[in-house]
Amino acid sequence: AQKITQTQPGMFVQEKEAVTLDCTYDTSDPSYGLFWYKQPSSGEMIFLIYQGSYDQQNATEGRYSLNFQKARKSANLVISASQLGDSAMYFCAMREAPSNQGGKLIFGQGTELSVKP
Amino acid sequence: NAGVTQTPKFQVLKTGQSMTLQCAQDMNHNSMYWYRQDPGMGLRLIYYSASEGTTDKGEVPNGYNVSRLNKREFSLRLESAAPSQTSVYFCASSTTGDLQETQYFGPGTRLLVL
Repeated sequence: AQKITQTQPGMFVQEKEAVTLDCTYDTSDPSYGLFWYKQPSSGEMIFLIYQGSYDQQNATEGRYSLNFQKARKSANLVISASQLGDSAMYFCAMREAPSNQGGKLIFGQGTELSVKP
Repeated sequence: NAGVTQTPKFQVLKTGQSMTLQCAQDMNHNSMYWYRQDPGMGLRLIYYSASEGTTDKGEVPNGYNVSRLNKREFSLRLESAAPSQTSVYFCASSTTGDLQETQYFGPGTRLLVL
C-alpha cells in the first residue's frame, strides 16, 4: 500500500536559518508525483513545490527546494532563510496514476514548524 | 480568480441531520475531489470526480454522497450526520488526474456534529 511518513511532529528553527522537513514514501509504482503543501493556522492548504519521479533535478521554488533521493525514497523539503510567516503545518503528499482513485493525493501526518524570532 | 470556493465555512449539526457542502472552481478543471482532515492527521479522500458526469468512491466514502452538478460544481452530502463526521472538509480540483497536475484546495468547511 502507498504510504507517506513524516517522522517529525514538530520542529523549531531560528529566523533566517534553513530547515529541512523529512518525508519518506513507499510505492511500487515507477511513476508518481511528490508534493509539499503548507497549512497555516488559518487552515487553507497552499501548494509549495512538486517533484516528479522521473525528474533528474531537484525541484526549486523560491526559498523552497526539494531534496529528492529516489533510491532512499525520500523527498525532504528545505526552506532557506526561514521567516516568521513560515510557521505552519507542512504536509508531504504523493500522487499516483489517475487509475488510483482519480489520481488522489496520499498525505503524511504533517510537521508543525515554528520559526523563532 | 477565486480559485476553489467552499460554502459554508463552518457548520454545527445535530446527530441525524443532513446537509450539503458546496464546492465550485473557476479554473476550468476536469477533476474534483473531496477530502476530510481529522485532528493530527493528513487529508483522506472521500469521493472524487475525474470528469463532468462521473463520480467515484475514495478511501472513506461511508456516510457521504456526491454530485458533480456541472464542470464547475461538486457537492458533498451527509444524509444523516454522525459525531464521527466531525472534521474539516476540503474540496480540491486539478486539470486532470495525471500525477504531475497540482491539486488546488478550497479554504475548507469546519463541521461539528453534536
